[in-house]
Amino acid sequence: GIQVEQSPPDLILQEGANSTLRCNFSDSVNNLQWFHQNPWGQLINLFYIPSGTKQNGRLSATTVATERYSLLYISSSQTTDSGVYFCAVDYYSNYQLIWGAGTKLIIKP
Amino acid sequence: DTEVTQTPKHLVMGMTNKKSLKCEQHMGHRAMYWYKQKAKKPPELMFVYSYEKLSINESVPSRFSPECPNSSLLNLHLHALQPEDSALYLCASSHPVGNTIYFGEGSWLTVV
Repeated sequence: GIQVEQSPPDLILQEGANSTLRCNFSDSVNNLQWFHQNPWGQLINLFYIPSGTKQNGRLSATTVATERYSLLYISSSQTTDSGVYFCAVDYYSNYQLIWGAGTKLIIKP
Repeated sequence: DTEVTQTPKHLVMGMTNKKSLKCEQHMGHRAMYWYKQKAKKPPELMFVYSYEKLSINESVPSRFSPECPNSSLLNLHLHALQPEDSALYLCASSHPVGNTIYFGEGSWLTVV
């Protein structure tokens, strides 16, 4: 089956720094979504991005479907950005998202 | 604020208890999901309801019983759980296939 790999697994940064998170997938996908899970467990959908580039405030994402990867950019990090970032892909188009293992981001004040 | 509401947020139950987790959404979505998440792992799909019919059951033990009373509500009935069932249970919804999925805040379940 399709493999979804995220890197780095862990990232520790100072407040104000920029970061790039990567998601690689091993086969063509129908869509890709990025999520942020805060320390209290809430999963927030950040982007639905099967291809192209989207921006939302300090966050932006780019998916290059032909090369099977997606990048999530976080600029001017804040402590509230801490948590785990997951990417998930829709491969079979039957509601079953395939998840990466996540990148744990810690932003220090 | 999430538009998918889950109750209760925390639940502690004994192995002989019967309890239920509840989920509600008012976004007009026709697909609803239950996920289970253990610490430091991504969510694992348990059940999917599409247009109020069970579409996917990921080989979940029968001690977990889903119910979709209408297009806005999703329940997960729990009976005779084991301590290893302790986890975060997440409800989600979306328009059918291939659309943005929205999660509730989750229900933290502890089985003692």
